[in-house]
Amino acid sequence: GAGVSQSPRYKVAKRGQDVALRCDPISGHVSLFWYQQALGQGPEFLTYFQNEAQLDKSGLPSDRFFAERPEGSVSTLKIQRTQQEDSAVYLCASSSPGGVVYGYTFGSGTRLTVV
Amino acid sequence: QKEVEQNSGPLSVPEGAIASLNCTYSDRGSQSFFWYRQYSGKSPELIMFIYSNGDKEDGRFTAQLNKASQYVSLLIRDSQPSDSATYLCAVMDSNYQLIWGAGTKLIIKP
Repeated sequence: GAGVSQSPRYKVAKRGQDVALRCDPISGHVSLFWYQQALGQGPEFLTYFQNEAQLDKSGLPSDRFFAERPEGSVSTLKIQRTQQEDSAVYLCASSSPGGVVYGYTFGSGTRLTVV
Repeated sequence: QKEVEQNSGPLSVPEGAIASLNCTYSDRGSQSFFWYRQYSGKSPELIMFIYSNGDKEDGRFTAQLNKASQYVSLLIRDSQPSDSATYLCAVMDSNYQLIWGAGTKLIIKP
């Protein structure tokens, strides 16, 4: 696609509900990143894929957070048993092979509100 | 703990003036340095990246890097109201991971 596509754009979840956030990166981009951004803060790293391999998941805040990219393209970030502190914007970014040093392209994000 | 520090602002600059945004970082092994612009409710948009000491110019924007002082800045010449946004500094470490500052809110006053 022309850009990084994320869905849904907005999600309201009741506390304890499971959610799944989708990211469709730019075609051909092998690197894919998930970030969490709280209001007034910079993005915080969650996890990184190169193709289908999850190379770094050190930023996932708890075992309720799980990400996958089974075919090396679309990725899903799943949050189980959502808590109010999970409310944030979840950003997906992708980068071309060898292009990571030149920066990432971000999707529009998913704003998650847990009530 | 790798850190990237920015003044949160807001930084208020008259239209037509030069806006100067600053960022310091702690990891001397950092490779590349980025400035992203983020409008309220939108995702970050890459403006410039720099990896060599000195200045890099692109239109009204100039990025400046001083690795010895661990300092990177962004200058915006002839500031326009449309430049009003939060500017995020990001630093890429040796593992190709971006470490982000919290951003500086810039307000350009007409």
